[in-house]
Amino acid sequence: GQNIDQPTEMTATEGAIVQINCTYQTSGFNGLFWYQQHAGEAPTFLSYNVLDGLEEKGRFSSFLSRSKGYSYLLLKELQMKDSASYLCAVPDTGGFKTIFGAGTRLFVKA
Amino acid sequence: DTGVSQNPRHKITKRGQNVTFRCDPISEHNRLYWYRQTLGQGPEFLTYFQNEAQLEKSRLLSDRFSAERPKGSFSTLEIQRTEQGDSAMYLCASSFGQNYGYTFGSGTRLTVV
Repeated sequence: GQNIDQPTEMTATEGAIVQINCTYQTSGFNGLFWYQQHAGEAPTFLSYNVLDGLEEKGRFSSFLSRSKGYSYLLLKELQMKDSASYLCAVPDTGGFKTIFGAGTRLFVKA
Repeated sequence: DTGVSQNPRHKITKRGQNVTFRCDPISEHNRLYWYRQTLGQGPEFLTYFQNEAQLEKSRLLSDRFSAERPKGSFSTLEIQRTEQGDSAMYLCASSFGQNYGYTFGSGTRLTVV
């Protein structure tokens, strides 16, 4: 089976940098996704990592270590609009679906 | 293309009633998924279609739930004899493939009273 762990909540200050961690246990590996979900809205795709290392996309970067079963999402120059839940997700290697973690609620304060 | 469209946005129903939701995916995507999400949790997989074929169903999906995707276009999710525990956001998503990100619709929020 597969299991995904991420912190429930985090708080950070506007303009700062925050790192949201995700650990996963899978029987195989076929990449890792990060999604952003604002309250009351649907998740939106942020990133997909399949190789080890850091991938940067504007203010957001995502890191993957396959040997450690670990990923993080790095948000720089935080803005109030970044307050949202961030979902870590992995494709199910035994099927067709993607399995989501419970998400990390990020609160950005002034 | 306007993305993934779901309707209705909200549905309030009495326990025991049947409800049906509709999803119109992005036309170029042959993969369509239904998920359910409750407060404070991530989306939970319900079922998957590739074109018109339903290839995977969650074991959590009781026989009260049925989904269709006629002609590989739009999809419907029906819940029969609704229970209070069915109250959730029902999300539809489509994609090019498993290693591509999902595009989600805005969801249908179901409240069973």
